[in-house]
Amino acid sequence: DVKVTQSSRYLVKRTGEKVFLECVQDMDHENMFWYRQDPGLGLRLIYFSYDVKMKEKGDIPEGYSVSREKKERFSLILESASTNQTSMYLCASSLVNSGTYEQYFGPGTRLTVT
Amino acid sequence: LAKTTQPISMDSYEGQEVNITCSHNNIATNDYITWYQQFPSQGPRFIIQGYKTKVTNEVASLFIPADRKSSTLSLPRVSLSDTAVYYCLVGGNTDKLIFGTGTRLQVFP
Repeated sequence: DVKVTQSSRYLVKRTGEKVFLECVQDMDHENMFWYRQDPGLGLRLIYFSYDVKMKEKGDIPEGYSVSREKKERFSLILESASTNQTSMYLCASSLVNSGTYEQYFGPGTRLTVT
Repeated sequence: LAKTTQPISMDSYEGQEVNITCSHNNIATNDYITWYQQFPSQGPRFIIQGYKTKVTNEVASLFIPADRKSSTLSLPRVSLSDTAVYYCLVGGNTDKLIFGTGTRLQVFP
């Protein structure tokens, strides 16, 4: 089974701190994604990556950056955390040309910025 | 990217069949239709995907009319454990899939 793991389930940070959210997948997937989920807004795509060192902006990239130095790892960085970045963050991965558009999601990281 | 519209919420009782319809009027020729299920405090889980006509797996069926401007996810004989949020998405493998707010299905005993 595909496994997508995220570094923390719960995280509390202070305003202005630099925050790193790590995501690792173990199935050699080319695509990796970062979403945030907020009540009433569904999942919104922050960034995604098709390959190592490649990244594309999603719908809400402002205030975030990403890093993909290795194929299995995709990091989301909040350069200076703000309270409006309090949210559930979900990482996902998918295989190109698999015949399906299935994304495999991690358990999520609930980030609180105080 | 095609936008999808689906009901905000639906209620059902155990044992009933549930049909959730999604409209996607601007679907592109190479877009597939994909449905996900999400339980509280978990990431979404892929349920089913289709391009046209009908697709069935062990979990659900997906009905897509010839014009592909809508699709219907059918859950046969739902149970309490089917209470979840269901998302309809259209797009391709390398597209930015738009999840939207989904349909919150509540199943009652």
